[in-house]
Amino acid sequence: EIVLTQSPDFQSVTPKEKVTITCRASQSIGSSLHWYQQKPDQSPKLLIKYASQSISGVPSRFSGSGSGTDFTLTINSLEAEDAAAYYCHQSSNLPETFGQGTKLEIK
Amino acid sequence: QVQLVETGGGVVQPGRSLRLSCAASGFTFSSYGIHWVRRAPGKGLEWVAVVSHDGSNGYYAGSVNGRFTISRDNSKNTVYLQLNSLRAEDTAVYYCAKAGGSYYGEATNWGQGTQVTVSS
Repeated sequence: EIVLTQSPDFQSVTPKEKVTITCRASQSIGSSLHWYQQKPDQSPKLLIKYASQSISGVPSRFSGSGSGTDFTLTINSLEAEDAAAYYCHQSSNLPETFGQGTKLEIK
Repeated sequence: QVQLVETGGGVVQPGRSLRLSCAASGFTFSSYGIHWVRRAPGKGLEWVAVVSHDGSNGYYAGSVNGRFTISRDNSKNTVYLQLNSLRAEDTAVYYCAKAGGSYYGEATNWGQGTQVTVSS
């Protein structure tokens, strides 16, 4: 099973700050890495697919990069509404797996 | 628009069974795989299972393999998750999600979730 390790687990940030969340895979997964946002009492929402492909309707301040084992989700100019948990997910190998999540708090 | 609605959750005793349903609309259901993902209280997302577009293949997380069964009825645009031999650690909100491809891939659209509580 591929283990995805996110860092940090928690981050407290101020609006307009740039945020970087990383996801490291225990073995190479190519570009089969996706990012989600989950706000309290809501269902998860797809932000980025296949490491760097944007999703229609998702604000352009969200971007992704990486391949192989190391991936990054970047949020430029953070807004208050971005307070949420963020997860990476790999669909390269079965069983598919999620990272443990990163909780973003807005100061 | 794409819509997925989960039903069938509830409170059940350890060792008992439950069947969850996921009714889909707004897309060509028979062309896409469907995931089940859960979130236990105070924990993160956990991938549970996926079924291929035609129902011929189902894949499971190790934690549920042999206890849960995923299936689909394309004539009813519905996916099922049969939960057997339930344990306290299966307590979670269960979400179904449309896959980006016919077998697997990103979870493009999610339902609102259904709560499963395993307790005596």
